[in-house]
Amino acid sequence: AQKVTQAQTEISVVEKEDVTLDCVYETRDTTYYLFWYKQPPSGELVFLIRRNSFDEQNEISGRYSWNFQKSTSSFNFTITASQVVDSAVYFCALSGGSNYKLTFGKGTLLTVNP
Amino acid sequence: ETGVTQTPRHLVMGMTNKKSLKCEQHLGHNAMYWYKQSAKKPLELMFVYNFKEQTENNSVPSRFSPECPNSSHLFLHLHTLQPEDSALYLCASSQDERGEGWETQYFGPGTRLLVL
Repeated sequence: AQKVTQAQTEISVVEKEDVTLDCVYETRDTTYYLFWYKQPPSGELVFLIRRNSFDEQNEISGRYSWNFQKSTSSFNFTITASQVVDSAVYFCALSGGSNYKLTFGKGTLLTVNP
Repeated sequence: ETGVTQTPRHLVMGMTNKKSLKCEQHLGHNAMYWYKQSAKKPLELMFVYNFKEQTENNSVPSRFSPECPNSSHLFLHLHTLQPEDSALYLCASSQDERGEGWETQYFGPGTRLLVL
């Protein structure tokens, strides 16, 4: 069975602070994919990144960076110099096996205060 | 981003009503999905269509009836719903020619449904 745990239910920071959102996953598949999505108050899930299990290189995209560590089954997401527009619910998700199933974590509500 | 559109954005219906949710994707994808997002619950996959064929029905009650006339359009027909069906219903699509289910899913803005 697959499982994604986002232990942080809510995080509140002040603008310009760095913030890391944690994601821990469980799977028996040797090949799998990890995702992060952002859900602003409007409701739409916005795709941020997709990573396969064979690529442990960290990724940076502007103020966003991701740290994938198979040894600890973690795929953490860091926002550098946070902005008010980063306020949203962030979901980590896992896909493995041939069943179309994206297993989502419960999400982390990030509030960035001015 | 208007890759996946959903209408209506908000819907209020009584338990005896019949309504339909519509989803359209403009990304040339072949797989489409319905998800349900309830308060304080993880996203739940409801249905999957690949090349217009239903490939997954995640034990969804029969009062929800999906329809996929072509690879670009997906409907969710609703009838005799219950108040606990109130939720955000999200549509997604992906390019999944090999049917492996690993491709990135792109989501629409959702329909907020309230059942009275």
